[in-house]
Amino acid sequence: DSGVTQTPKHLITATGQRVTLRCSPRSGDLSVYWYQQSLDQGLQFLIQYYNGEERAKGNILERFSAQQFPDLHSELNLSSLELGDSALYFCASSVGQGLWETQYFGPGTRLLVL
Amino acid sequence: SQKIEQNSEALNIQEGKTATLTCNYTNYSPAYLQWYRQDPGRGPVFLLLIRENEKEKRKERLKVTFDTTLKQSLFHITASQPADSATYLCALEGTGRRALTFGSGTRLQVQP
Repeated sequence: DSGVTQTPKHLITATGQRVTLRCSPRSGDLSVYWYQQSLDQGLQFLIQYYNGEERAKGNILERFSAQQFPDLHSELNLSSLELGDSALYFCASSVGQGLWETQYFGPGTRLLVL
Repeated sequence: SQKIEQNSEALNIQEGKTATLTCNYTNYSPAYLQWYRQDPGRGPVFLLLIRENEKEKRKERLKVTFDTTLKQSLFHITASQPADSATYLCALEGTGRRALTFGSGTRLQVQP
């Protein structure tokens, strides 16, 4: 158990819908990262927040947005969902913002868009 | 263009043997490289980090080498066990050193 929690575990929805994925980092970690993992794309970095501020952005679609709240939990919002958005979404956390720091991954949310 | 290459074919070895996984990269100049383990349907778990000025790093039965001239890292598991069966991912700093970029991983299967 990494100490990172993600909810929900599974999500089934329809195209065009909007969903919110939630992540609680390990106690004391200030950075939260979001990744998408699909069979054909591997693990892709989406976005990082550090202590409430956006720190780095990857190949995140405009339909996707995220935020980190004062209590450091984070939410990833996915809207106008398409079939291709079906994937595992992982949240990770680390103490600081350096890329040399160990990232602790949560169990993931499996999203299926029908 | 930038690329991280890991053998996409599964590696099958016998229990007790040494498994060697390869991570090659192109057009990166990473200051360090990380290895993670991922079991099916679960999040990656950090294993080791090696810095550019380190040739080799060990942790129990794991050993990582980092050759910045060859642009390659080798990941070794000695005395492998069936419980070592998993996918192993290498990761390094991406463009602008703003995020980690992961390789696609190599699946290791250790036969009893």
